[in-house]
Amino acid sequence: AQSVTQLDSQVPVFEEAPVELRCNYSSSVSVYLFWYVQYPNQGLQLLLKYLSGSTLVKGINGFEAEFNKSQTSFHLRKPSVHISDTAEYFCAVSRSGGYNKLIFGAGTRLAVHP
Amino acid sequence: DSGVTQTPKHLITATGQRVTLRCSPRSGDLSVYWYQQSLDQGLQFLIQYYNGEERAKGNILERFSAQQFPDLHSELNLSSLELGDSALYFCASSEGIGGAYNEQFFGPGTRLTVL
Repeated sequence: AQSVTQLDSQVPVFEEAPVELRCNYSSSVSVYLFWYVQYPNQGLQLLLKYLSGSTLVKGINGFEAEFNKSQTSFHLRKPSVHISDTAEYFCAVSRSGGYNKLIFGAGTRLAVHP
Repeated sequence: DSGVTQTPKHLITATGQRVTLRCSPRSGDLSVYWYQQSLDQGLQFLIQYYNGEERAKGNILERFSAQQFPDLHSELNLSSLELGDSALYFCASSEGIGGAYNEQFFGPGTRLTVL
């Protein structure tokens, strides 16, 4: 079975500052990794995903994440955040191949302040 | 807009009642997934259908059931509702069943309130 731990439930940051949202996963098999964003009163939107290949993955809205197999981590980063980045961010994992159910972390609320 | 539609947007009902949530996947997607998002349980996978057949089951209660119809839309039926069933229910769809077709596109959700 897979599990996901998001190490911070809330991350406050000032506008234009860099941010890192941390995600660790546990799995005995190969996995795919995802970051989703949920804006207030909206559904989830895929930010980026790691399936295979380069461990540095670039996504939408200037976000990127790095897959680290030895540390079983998939941290999300952005060099300069905007007020509009305020949202809930979810890290998720699914078993590679096979059926696609996503296992989500508890979420990290990113609050960007002016 | 993900292309996944869910109706209704909001639903308020009483304990003991039964409700049906509806999901239309993106055009061409054969897989439909249901997730529940609640304050205490977070986002949890409930069930997956692929081309009309149940393919994977998660933490879905026996009081809940789902199906996917020939036109690929899906319905999630929740019965004997309890206060704890109040949550946001998401539907997602993907092109295939696994592997490279893994990207799931989420609908806007149905917010269920049980009073």
